[in-house]
Amino acid sequence: DIQMTQSPSSLSASVGDRVTITCRASQSISDYLNWYQQKPGKAPKLLIYAVSSLQSGVPSRFSGSGSGTDFTLTISSLQPEDFATYYCQQSYSTPYTFGQGTKLEIK
Amino acid sequence: QVQLVESGGGVVQPGRSLRLSCAASGFTFTSYGMHWVRQAPGKGLEWVAVIWFDGSNKYYADSVKGRFTISRDNSKNTLYLQMNSLRAEDTAVYYCARNKHHPDYWGQGTLVTVSS
Repeated sequence: DIQMTQSPSSLSASVGDRVTITCRASQSISDYLNWYQQKPGKAPKLLIYAVSSLQSGVPSRFSGSGSGTDFTLTISSLQPEDFATYYCQQSYSTPYTFGQGTKLEIK
Repeated sequence: QVQLVESGGGVVQPGRSLRLSCAASGFTFTSYGMHWVRQAPGKGLEWVAVIWFDGSNKYYADSVKGRFTISRDNSKNTLYLQMNSLRAEDTAVYYCARNKHHPDYWGQGTLVTVSS
């Protein structure tokens, strides 16, 4: 199975900050890397698929990059509604594993 | 708009069975694979199973293989998860999600609690 490791596990930041979350796969997953945002009590929401493609309706302050085994999610200027938990997921091979999550909190 | 509505959750004793349903609307159900993903209380997301658009292929997480069965009824636009031999560690919110090479739209989830 492919292991997905996110860092950091939690992060404190302020509105307007630029934030980067990283995700590492235990083997190459090509460009089959997706990012989700989840708020308490809600279903996950797809932000980015295939490393860097923005899902329809997602603000352009979210961006993704990387290849092979190392990937990043960047939020260019944090907004109050961005405080949530973020997960990466590989869709290269089953089981389609998720990272453990990064909780983004208000400083 | 895409809508996925899960149902069938509840409290069940260890060793018993439960079947979850996911009613789909707002898209051509027969054109998409579907996933089940779960989330234990206070924990992260765990992928459970996927089924191809036509039901021809099914894949499972090791943690549920042999106990859970994913299926679909394309005439009813409905996805199912048959869960047998339930364990305390299966307690979670279960989400269904549409597959577009990755889970894109998700339902609101249904809570399954396995407890005596």
